[in-house]
Amino acid sequence: GENVEQHPSTLSVQEGDSAVIKCTYSDSASNYFPWYKQELGKGPQLIIDIRSNVGEKKDQRIAVTLNKTAKHFSLHITETQPEDSAVYFCAASIGGAGNQFYFGTGTSLTVIP
Amino acid sequence: KAGVTQTPRYLIKTRGQQVTLSCSPISGHRSVSWYQQTPGQGLQFLFEYFSETQRNKGNFPGRFSGRQFSNSRSEMNVSTLELGDSALYLCASSLLTGSDTEAFFGQGTRLTVV
Repeated sequence: GENVEQHPSTLSVQEGDSAVIKCTYSDSASNYFPWYKQELGKGPQLIIDIRSNVGEKKDQRIAVTLNKTAKHFSLHITETQPEDSAVYFCAASIGGAGNQFYFGTGTSLTVIP
Repeated sequence: KAGVTQTPRYLIKTRGQQVTLSCSPISGHRSVSWYQQTPGQGLQFLFEYFSETQRNKGNFPGRFSGRQFSNSRSEMNVSTLELGDSALYLCASSLLTGSDTEAFFGQGTRLTVV
């Protein structure tokens, strides 16, 4: 099956700085890569996603890049705010395999005011 | 538009008992997937149901089962509970089944086995 690795496990940034979280995947058949934000006591919230036919996608302060050759994808958050503090998960799903996501182990992001 | 609703939010059960968790997907969504979240193993896929049929199954023992009804609501059942089944159980709702379909999670059911 697919194996998704995520780094770093914890990240602290000053408010206004940028944060970058990186993930790698193992199965070249993976074609969909969502990112989720999970706050304490809540379920994961989809914040952005990218499909394998696209190299980059941006939504306001959040962007995701995908390098299919190297099998890695990254989440970029600019102008961080305290409310960005949460655990972020990357995930991958394999083409034709339905809605089965393989998740990274999570990054706990703390934005220091 | 209402989100994904999971009930109950919290459960405490005794080892050896069984438990049923419920998930109501977003209106119009036909796919429901279930995940187990623990500090040690992270988020792990249990199974997916689409149009009342199990489409995929993760690597969990047969004590974990599920079903989906004609209105797309889904239930998962865990029999003969073990201490290690203590976890946050999440369900995710998708419009369709397919590897590039957005999935939206509920708040989860926190199961504690004592």
